Amino acid sequence: QKEVEQNSGPLSVPEGAIASLNCTYSDRGSQSFFWYRQYSGKSPELIMSIYSNGDKEDGRFTAQLNKASQYVSLLIRDSQPSDSATYLCAVRNRDDKIIFGKGTRLHILP
Amino acid sequence: GAGVSQSPRYKVAKRGQDVALRCDPISGHVSLFWYQQALGQGPEFLTYFQNEAQLDKSGLPSDRFFAERPEGSVSTLKIQRTQQEDSAVYLCASSNRDRLAKNIQYFGAGTRLSVL
Repeated sequence: QKEVEQNSGPLSVPEGAIASLNCTYSDRGSQSFFWYRQYSGKSPELIMSIYSNGDKEDGRFTAQLNKASQYVSLLIRDSQPSDSATYLCAVRNRDDKIIFGKGTRLHILP
Repeated sequence: GAGVSQSPRYKVAKRGQDVALRCDPISGHVSLFWYQQALGQGPEFLTYFQNEAQLDKSGLPSDRFFAERPEGSVSTLKIQRTQQEDSAVYLCASSNRDRLAKNIQYFGAGTRLSVL
């Protein structure tokens, strides 16, 4: 089992709808969780970080963390074509390493 | 600097050739990380520096990989006797606090290495 698992997609969502991206992790000792956006051929860009259970909202983005279920998600409201990218879930595990998932490709349909 | 700078952006090497990849982190950033990203995969951790000290090199795939940061600023990742499986994008990231803090990593644009 990989430490951080994501569905590779592609996930296709109509413009204006809510995109829901999911991630599970294996190390219960993990404390910090990140969502990065990566456009094709570009470097990852941090869009959200979350450290405690519950929801954290920033503009159109909401990160959700459930440590009991070892689950973290990212919701994108009012999806725009510019949101089309690969979304990487990253987790800082108990060894203080940041482990990335393979990423989910998101495609917003105009 | 304004961001993390990596050079070269692209490198084509013949199998067996040695390569050196450079990372210039954001000025003042204590922590520096190297990652390897294969096509369609997420970044895989290679090594971590706090200032000039290499605190973790557990992700380096073989002894052909070597990284240094002698003055605690610019870092070089060297790959000796390159193999085709080394073809990937090599990403460098820096952060302004030690890794135990809730620091944010800022990534460079990466170096795309192609080994023929």
